[in-house]
Amino acid sequence: GESVGLHLPTLSVQEGDNSIINCAYSNSASDYFIWYKQESGKGPQFIIDIRSNMDKRQGQRVTVLLNKTVKHLSLQIAATQPGDSAVYFCAENIGNTGFQKLVFGTGTRLLVSP
Amino acid sequence: GAVVSQHPSRVICKSGTSVKIECRSLDFQATTMFWYRQFPKQSLMLMATSNEGSKATYEQGVEKDKFLINHASLTLSTLTVTSAHPEDSSFYICSARAVGVRTEAFFGQGTRLTVV
Repeated sequence: GESVGLHLPTLSVQEGDNSIINCAYSNSASDYFIWYKQESGKGPQFIIDIRSNMDKRQGQRVTVLLNKTVKHLSLQIAATQPGDSAVYFCAENIGNTGFQKLVFGTGTRLLVSP
Repeated sequence: GAVVSQHPSRVICKSGTSVKIECRSLDFQATTMFWYRQFPKQSLMLMATSNEGSKATYEQGVEKDKFLINHASLTLSTLTVTSAHPEDSSFYICSARAVGVRTEAFFGQGTRLTVV
């Protein structure tokens, strides 16, 4: 199947630090993006999304930035906590009305030390 | 967020048998459901996309006759792994998307399939 992004990196941070997780996508026609968090043995959980007509969106402690010029997404987590430790995936929506599919990036493992 | 229930969470089956996995959207109508497969420490690989009442669209390299997908109603999709072999052992995850364009997809808790 299709994939977005590069090989899986690991980001290690200290509790209280800000974390930045990056993702490169390949389809310039993608118009909607989602960040998910996945804990071991569970399905992905929605964190935040952004449409292609925006370049920034903020949630609670999280911010997503979209740079369409270089096809790059980032997820910023403020004041990272041990409970944030998980694998984070970006996903892009490909397609238009009638048929769309959601393709995942390779993911980043976030390790938060107390 | 909306709830997607996937069942069973774990299943062990013998080689050559078939296994059915159910995915239900509990509190919304899902016009689109996605099925993914995930190997340890890897990303989710999209297997197929199904729209209610239509045949599933499979990703390149995914065998249609082996992974049968049915999306007969707006709240239920099933994935049947036919004639399972040990190499089919994996974590299978479904996702459901409500009516609308470019809306978030909600995920089930996944099914750990082990074929012995």
